[in-house]
Amino acid sequence: DVKVTQSSRYLVKRTGEKVFLECVQDMDHENMFWYRQDPGLGLRLIYFSYDVKMKEKGDIPEGYSVSREKKERFSLILESASTNQTSMYLCASSTWTGGADTQYFGPGTRLTVL
Amino acid sequence: SQQGEEDPQALSIQEGENATMNCSYKTSINNLQWYRQNSGRGLVHLILIRSNEREKHSGRLRVTLDTSKKSSSLLITASRAADTASYFCATDAYSGAGSYQLTFGKGTKLSVIP
Repeated sequence: DVKVTQSSRYLVKRTGEKVFLECVQDMDHENMFWYRQDPGLGLRLIYFSYDVKMKEKGDIPEGYSVSREKKERFSLILESASTNQTSMYLCASSTWTGGADTQYFGPGTRLTVL
Repeated sequence: SQQGEEDPQALSIQEGENATMNCSYKTSINNLQWYRQNSGRGLVHLILIRSNEREKHSGRLRVTLDTSKKSSSLLITASRAADTASYFCATDAYSGAGSYQLTFGKGTKLSVIP
């Protein structure tokens, strides 16, 4: 089974702190994604990566950056956390299947910024 | 931008009844997927239907796709309390370099009452 793990289930940070959210997958997937999920807004794509050291902006990249130094690890960075970044963050991975990519999700990190 | 929109937003049924959820989308797709999310957890892939398919089954799940109406439905037959979850449709778009990006709807929250 594909396993996607996230470093924390719950995280509480203060405004202005630098926050790192880590995601690791064990299936050698090329593609990795970061989403945030908010009530009434569904899942929104922040960033994704289709290869090591490659990154692409999603729909809401402002206030975030990412790092992918190794194939299995994709990090989301909040350079200076703000209260409007309080949310559930979901990481996912997928492999190229010629147009039928299924995404495998981690359990999520619920981040609260005070 | 939100591609898929699920309807209804919430659905409450008795155990043993069938549950039907609908998804509408705006632009042409390669395939459409349905995911399930238990409260506070990550999403789990349920079923994928390609744009050239009209119906697909998997256990108690039945998915239909009408590309002329840009809509899909998910039917869960003989529902169980364990089916209580949020259900999301997701449509794909090619994002380059062998990667497909998924756009998720806001979800239907299903409650199955024992």
